[in-house]
Amino acid sequence: QQPVQSPQAVILREGEDAVINCSSSKALYSVHWYRQKHGEAPVFLMILLKGGEQKGHEKISASFNEKKQQSSLYLTASQLSYSGTYFCGTEDVQGAQKLVFGQGTRLTINP
Amino acid sequence: NAGVMQNPRHLVRRRGQEARLRCSPMKGHSHVYWYRQLPEEGLKFMVYLQKENIIDESGMPKERFSAEFPKEGPSILRIQQVVRGDSAAYFCASSPGRPSYEQYFGPGTRLTVT
Repeated sequence: QQPVQSPQAVILREGEDAVINCSSSKALYSVHWYRQKHGEAPVFLMILLKGGEQKGHEKISASFNEKKQQSSLYLTASQLSYSGTYFCGTEDVQGAQKLVFGQGTRLTINP
Repeated sequence: NAGVMQNPRHLVRRRGQEARLRCSPMKGHSHVYWYRQLPEEGLKFMVYLQKENIIDESGMPKERFSAEFPKEGPSILRIQQVVRGDSAAYFCASSPGRPSYEQYFGPGTRLTVT
């Protein structure tokens, strides 16, 4: 039931792009993306809803392929501040509000 | 607008003692969620509450763990007779309750059982 994220870890130089994927074996209603820095709370990045509605806050984009039960997070022109572990949280029933999180993708941005 | 608040930030308990973790949601949020995170692992859902109601506790261990969100005051996660395996970071999140609206996380309580 836990979504699978790939890759598990990625190392980039500042300015490079990254794509993080999240796949589920179940049909999804929504996908939520968070970034967590070591020792800190997860910070909300993006929510994608079935039907195409998307809500986000930063210069980060994402896609949600309902048929394939997959979501991808796109980080373009990465900055040092993007370093951290990225988690996708999935909701398979509308209104369930219980998020099942993937194992995380550790992103390291080097100068 | 203050964010989600949790206290204490760090809690040390000896085996067999009780741990009480508190969470005050963001202003205007009536839905609270508790998650547990072991070192180097993802977040595991524990329980989802609304004021005075437990909506989903499918992630809560059947024994020793309980949660409440009273009409007045913070949500409380209570762990009785703690064991070493309870050592983890416990995060609380809140949302305004609209379907699939984003959840905002508090800073967490790091519980260490000695």
